[in-house]
Amino acid sequence: GAVVSQHPSWVICKSGTSVKIECRSLDFQATTMFWYRQFPKQSLMLMATSNEGSKATYEQGVEKDKFLINHASLTLSTLTVTSAHPEDSSFYICSASGIAGVLDTQYFGPGTRLTVL
Amino acid sequence: RKEVEQDPGPFNVPEGATVAFNCTYSNSASQSFFWYRQDCRKEPKLLMSVYSSGNEDGRFTAQLNRASQYISLLIRDSKLSDSATYLCVADSSNTGKLIFGQGTTLQVKP
Repeated sequence: GAVVSQHPSWVICKSGTSVKIECRSLDFQATTMFWYRQFPKQSLMLMATSNEGSKATYEQGVEKDKFLINHASLTLSTLTVTSAHPEDSSFYICSASGIAGVLDTQYFGPGTRLTVL
Repeated sequence: RKEVEQDPGPFNVPEGATVAFNCTYSNSASQSFFWYRQDCRKEPKLLMSVYSSGNEDGRFTAQLNRASQYISLLIRDSKLSDSATYLCVADSSNTGKLIFGQGTTLQVKP
């Protein structure tokens, strides 16, 4: 099956620093990658949709200048949380889709747990 | 109103029990529906897609009722390993985006 990796799996940082999270599709070309955030006991909330080579589309209420997304290749998308604050502490999960003929199946990465002190 | 609503539970059932989860969605234009399973502190994993004709995968049966806009998941002969959170998911009008419900937590007891 399709494999999506994320790095790092967890990160602890000081308030005010920036954190970059990588999402890679290991065995397929992902035309679209999605970034989600999940707070404890809550559902996954879509933050943005990223298509290779174009600007990401952000969901309402998500600050594009704070959550920088780059999708420079068909196998890599990055999310940078700029000037992180404690309220940004969350579980960030990416997913990728784009396997021919199965456009609406998303394969999820293992997630990155961010803790901002 | 949430786009996809589920009873968060938890559902506590003994091993071997049959348990059913329901979910409702508000966007009548949604075309694709799924059940995902999420273990604690892990990513969601696709359990099964849901079709109007209903579909079965071993002990798991999923049903879709478009007229009432609800989706169900039936688990027969529950195992301890079935303990997890089950996420009901609908697509957002064929945009490729997925809308997740809050999830229903299942605890299967020995």
